[in-house]
Amino acid sequence: SYDLTQPPSVSVSPGQTARITCSGDPLAKQFAYWYQQKPGQAPVLVIYKDTGRPSGIPERFSGSTSGTTVTLTISGVQAEDEADYYCQSADNSGTSDVVFGGGTKLTVL
Amino acid sequence: EVQLVESGGGLVQPGGSLRLSCAASGFTFSDYRMHWVRQAPGKGLVWVSRINTDGSSTTYADSVKGRFTISRDNAKNTLYLQVNSLRAEDTAVYYCARGVGNYGDWFDPWGQGTLVTVSS
Repeated sequence: SYDLTQPPSVSVSPGQTARITCSGDPLAKQFAYWYQQKPGQAPVLVIYKDTGRPSGIPERFSGSTSGTTVTLTISGVQAEDEADYYCQSADNSGTSDVVFGGGTKLTVL
Repeated sequence: EVQLVESGGGLVQPGGSLRLSCAASGFTFSDYRMHWVRQAPGKGLVWVSRINTDGSSTTYADSVKGRFTISRDNAKNTLYLQVNSLRAEDTAVYYCARGVGNYGDWFDPWGQGTLVTVSS
């Protein structure tokens, strides 16, 4: 197995841009996915295949990739975006372990 | 509306067993791989197990291998997780999630979770 490394916390003021990174060697070859989890709620998919945005997810959420690091960017952060964010990846075999990053707490100041 | 509803959690003594269920609706259940993911109190998400569409192939995290069994009943649109030989470190909210994509290894949506507490 492998590790996906996220910063434990990120803080931004409303209206600013938040960037949350996720690093791991397999990300150079595998897609990454991002989930938002608010307190007491189930996770929600916000980015798929590095850069895709599911329907219903606001346009201020975007994803990017560079080498072994993927980044979730939230532009014009709103108070409602305060949550934990997890990256996730898996190889393309459909049989190996799925791995999550440790999660990043986004605080809106 | 696509919906997943877990049940079966509760308080159990170390060494005990439970069967968790996940009732699916709003989509063709038999077309999708399904997963269980758990989250210990105050901790992050940890993948537990996956099952393919017809139940013929299963995969487990090392931490639960030999103790947990994933299964499904496509006629009842229900996913199961039999959890045996429970340990304190198995205490967590257990989520079921629909696997999406060519290999079904990303998750959308998730159920609301069911809490398993292992304590004497």
